[in-house]
Amino acid sequence: SYELTQPPSVSVSPGQTARITCSGDALPTQYAFWYQQKPGQAPLLMIYRDTERPSGIPERFSGSRSGTTVTLTISGVQPEDEADYYCLSTDSTDTFWVFGGGTKLTVL
Amino acid sequence: VHLVESGGGLVKPGGSLRLSCAASGFPFTSAGMSWVRQAPGKGLEWIGRVKTKADGGATYYAASVKGRFIISRDDSKNTLYLQMNSLKTEDTAVYYCTTIYFWGQGTLVTVSS
Repeated sequence: SYELTQPPSVSVSPGQTARITCSGDALPTQYAFWYQQKPGQAPLLMIYRDTERPSGIPERFSGSRSGTTVTLTISGVQPEDEADYYCLSTDSTDTFWVFGGGTKLTVL
Repeated sequence: VHLVESGGGLVKPGGSLRLSCAASGFPFTSAGMSWVRQAPGKGLEWIGRVKTKADGGATYYAASVKGRFIISRDDSKNTLYLQMNSLKTEDTAVYYCTTIYFWGQGTLVTVSS
């Protein structure tokens, strides 16, 4: 079955840049979405279709793609950005959704 | 946009449960809908989706629930459903409905004897 691979954890100091990667063989042809989830809350869409940012999401959040890897970049990390982040995409047939395993972002 | 799940609760292994997701604030008939779950302390798991009627209304399921869970939609009621049968302890999770852009707050399903 198709898998998306994320690092389990990323740690940065406030004000630094955090990069969270997500790798999958179908990513060159399928869109990726990124979600932020804080404890006890539902996921929140941060990036859709690889690079688009929904209204209300701070500009410090951005998405990019290079080959089989998509990246969520948080520039100038704030303490409130500490959360779990998940990528989402589909298999090569655009039938089955798959989530990455999630990355815990720690703001030191 | 508002998505409200209901129907969660405690059920014994082998039992059944039907979840509902009431949608408002957007054209439900034009939205493909999915169910996603999250077991305690674990990551998000997509379990299935239903296309719009205009797209044929097809349903797709993750291997972990195929043959046990059924997703349906009632566009006249702006409601999405998840019929869960032959429940297992590993189905214990918070269940979310989502358009991929918007999510409900989830409903907890506990499978335990």
